[in-house]
Parts: sequence; structure tokens; C-alpha cells
Amino acid sequence: EDQVTQSPEALRLQEGESSSLNCSYTVSGLRGLFWYRQDPGKGPEFLFTLYSAGEEKEKERLKATLTKKESFLHITAPKPEDSATYLCAVQALYGNNAGNMLTFGGGTRLMVKP
Amino acid sequence: DGGITQSPKYLFRKEGQNVTLSCEQNLNHDAMYWYRQDPGQGLRLIYYSQIVNDFQKGDIAEGYSVSREKKESFPLTVTSAQKNPTAFYLCASSIVPALAAYNEQFFGPGTRLTVL
Repeated sequence: EDQVTQSPEALRLQEGESSSLNCSYTVSGLRGLFWYRQDPGKGPEFLFTLYSAGEEKEKERLKATLTKKESFLHITAPKPEDSATYLCAVQALYGNNAGNMLTFGGGTRLMVKP
Repeated sequence: DGGITQSPKYLFRKEGQNVTLSCEQNLNHDAMYWYRQDPGQGLRLIYYSQIVNDFQKGDIAEGYSVSREKKESFPLTVTSAQKNPTAFYLCASSIVPALAAYNEQFFGPGTRLTVL
């Protein structure tokens, strides 16, 4: 069974204080790992897709990296507007739902104080 | 503008009632999905559809039903058999994953359902 665990559940940072969010996964062959940002009461907004170990992607203050067991979302010099819940999900290559379903982690709630 | 719309934004249901949540997309995506999100938790898949007139159960399909009569539309009915329906419901769409390397799911704004 595919599983995704995100840590920490909540993270409080001061503006400018860089940190990382962790997404650990077990999957029957990784087709893709996805990062989303979700603001309260809204739908998730797509950020990145990573496909193979060693891959990195960047967008403004965010950088996502991938290994064979986990992914990190690095936040450099965060601003209050980066406050949101960040969700990680995996898509499997093999199994009954291969290629179709996303398995989501519980998310990390990030709060950046000015 | 291309995107996914969900309606209503808020929905209140009395015990024993069936209610239908609307999801429409104009992204020309073949695949559509329904997820449920409970407070402080990740998303759980209810149903998905890769093509018109075909759909598959997800992890938590009991008490829910769907239809896919048009490519653009994938309504979800929450039936009285769903014992704990209060949650945030999210609709998503994507190109058919098996046919493409890039198959990110894009989400609508969500419907918050509350049982009175």
C-alpha cells in the first residue's frame, strides 16, 4: 500500500528564517511526486512535479528536491504570504491504481510571522 | 479563462437528505476526480473517471455516487447512506495519466458541506 508521511505537522517561522518541509513516501514504483500549496478554505494549487531521484525544481522562494525515499520542500527567506498548508502526493507506477490515483500526505501547516 | 468550477461554495444538508455537488471544467481534460478533506488531514479519493460514461471507486466511495455524462461535468451525490458527510469536497481534473508523462491534477475551489 502506498503511503505518504509529512513532517512536521505545523511549522512556525519568523520572516526570513529558512527551513525545510519533509515528505517521506513508500510506493510501488514512483511515477511522480507532487507538491501543492493550499490556502484556508481553498483548493490546492499545483507547485511542482518530481519524477526521479536527484531532480530539483524551483519557484521563487521554494525549491523541491527528491530522493528515493523522501522529498524536501526548502523555503528560503520566507515571507508572511508563504503561510499556507503544503501538501505532498505520490503517484505509483504499479498496482491496481497505478498511474491514476494520487496518495496524499497529511500536509504541513506553515505559519510565517513578520 | 480555463479552470475548474465547483458549486455551491457552502452547502447545508439535513439528515436523511441526498445532495449533489457540481463540478465543471473547461480544460479539455479527460480525467476527473472527487476528493474529501477533513480538518487537518490530507485528501482522500472518493471516485474518479477517465472517460465519459465510465468511473471507478476510490478509497472511500461508500455513501457517494457519481455520473459522467459529459466530458466537462462530474457531479457528486452525497447520499443519506454516508454517515459522516460533513467535510470539504474537492474536484480535480487532469489529462489521462497513462497517456502522458505530465499529469498533474488541477483542483477546483471546493464545496464545504455541513450536516445540520
